Amino acid sequence: ETGVTQTPRHLVMGMTNKKSLKCEQHLGHNAMYWYKQSAKKPLELMFVYNFKEQTENNSVPSRFSPECPNSSHLFLHLHTLQPEDSALYLCASSAPGTENTEAFFGQGTRLTVV
Amino acid sequence: AQTVTQSQPEMSVQEAETVTLSCTYDTSESDYYLFWYKQPPSRQMILVIRQEAYKQQNATENRFSVNFQKAAKSFSLKISDSQLGDAAMYFCAYRSAWDGGSQGNLIFGKGTKLSVKP
Repeated sequence: ETGVTQTPRHLVMGMTNKKSLKCEQHLGHNAMYWYKQSAKKPLELMFVYNFKEQTENNSVPSRFSPECPNSSHLFLHLHTLQPEDSALYLCASSAPGTENTEAFFGQGTRLTVV
Repeated sequence: AQTVTQSQPEMSVQEAETVTLSCTYDTSESDYYLFWYKQPPSRQMILVIRQEAYKQQNATENRFSVNFQKAAKSFSLKISDSQLGDAAMYFCAYRSAWDGGSQGNLIFGKGTKLSVKP
C-alpha cells in the first residue's frame, strides 16, 4: 500500500459512454499526475497538477479531461473514447521541491474501450 | 528532452543468483534523480531504489544496488540473491531536479521483464 488509491480498478466502457477515474492521496503531496501505460510502450505522462493547478498537458486529446478539486484528489473524466485508448491508467503523487523525491503510485485503472 | 533507454525487454535469473538490469539515459542537465521502480502483476509501481546525481556513492537497499556512471549516463540495477518475489517488470526512471520546469514528473524507460526460475 503506497498511500495512493485509484478507483475503479477495472472499467469497460463503450465509445459513447462518459466515465470518470478517481485518484486519492493523503500523503500530504502537492503534485499529482496521470500516466498512461500501454503495452510495449513507455509510461506516458498525461497531466501534471501542482497545488491544484494544471502545470502540464502532454498533448492529450480533449476526450480526456482532468480535474483536481484539491491537492488530495485527482479525476480523469473520459468521453467518446477510442479503442486505442484502452490501457492502464496510473495516478501518482509526489512532493517536488522537498527531499522526498520519489513518486508514489496507485494500483491503476485497467480501462477497456469497446 | 530527456530520454531513458532499457535495452533488455526480458531477463531471466535463477533463484539465489545475481542479475543486472541495464539503463541508460540522455540529458543535458547536471542535477537530477534516477529511480528503479518495480511493477509486479498486481500493477502497483513500487520504488526499489533511488540515486541523486550529485552523489558519487552508489545507492544500496538491502539486496538491491545500483551502478551509477554519470559520465556514461548509465544506471544499472543489481539484484543479489534473487527471490521468486522479485519477478516483475522493472522500470528505470529519470526526474529533473529543476522542479520549476518538470514539476517532479518522471520519464520512464520501456521496462525489463524479469523472470525468476526456482
